Amino acid sequence: QITLKESGPTLVKPTQTLTLTCTFSGFSLGDTGVGVGWIRQPPGKALEWLTLIYWDDDKRYSPSLESRLTLTKDTSKNQVVLSMTNMDPVDTGTYYCAHFVTMTILGEGYFDPWGQGTLVTVSS
Amino acid sequence: EIVMTQSPATLSVSPGERATLSCRASQSVSSNLAWYQQKPGQAPRLLIYGASTRATGIPARFSGSGSGTEFTLTISSLQSEDFAVYHCQQYHNWPQTFGQGTKVEIK
Repeated sequence: QITLKESGPTLVKPTQTLTLTCTFSGFSLGDTGVGVGWIRQPPGKALEWLTLIYWDDDKRYSPSLESRLTLTKDTSKNQVVLSMTNMDPVDTGTYYCAHFVTMTILGEGYFDPWGQGTLVTVSS
Repeated sequence: EIVMTQSPATLSVSPGERATLSCRASQSVSSNLAWYQQKPGQAPRLLIYGASTRATGIPARFSGSGSGTEFTLTISSLQSEDFAVYHCQQYHNWPQTFGQGTKVEIK
C-alpha cells in the first residue's frame, strides 16, 4: 500500500522560503518509472501542478513557477523536499504530494495516490 | 500550455440519477486524460486514466470516454458518496494541467 504525507510550516511570511517534505512508503524512488509530484490548490480553486521528480533524478517544473522552485529527493529516507522561494499571499493553499505513474514517452502521467495535503498560509 | 475547461461548474443531480460531466482540451491530448474525485477536506482520488480505464477499486458506475479534445465522465446512478468535485487532468504535454472542476451536488 502506497502512502504519502506532507509536512512543513502552516504559516509563512511574505518573501520567506517555504520548505515542505513529502515522506512516503510502499514504493521506492529508486525503482524505474517512479516519480513524486507536487500539486497545490488555493482555497476554493483549481488544482495546479507544480513540479515532479523521477527515479533517475530528472525533474520537471511548472514554467510559471520554475524560477522559485527546487525539488530534491532522499531515496534512503523515502523523502522528497520542495522549496519555494519568495512566498506571497497568493501562494496560500493546500499543498499535496502524490505518487506519479509515468504513462507517455515524454514522461507524463497521472497521480495516484495523493497525500492528505498540508494547508500553507502566507501572511505577515 | 493546454487549457482544460470543465462544464458545467455545478451539476445538481438526484440520487440514483445519471450524471454527465464534460472536459474539453484547448488542443488534442489524445487519450492522455485522467479524472479525479475530491470530497470536502480530502485529497483528490484517481478515478480514470487513459480517458476510459478505471483505477483500481473504482466502481463500475464510473465510466470515462472521449479522445482528442472532448471527454466525458459518466456516473450511471449517483450514490450519496459520489457527491463531490471532479477534476480532469491532461498528461499529453508539459506542463500537465487540470480543469477548474465540476461540483456534483444533491438536487
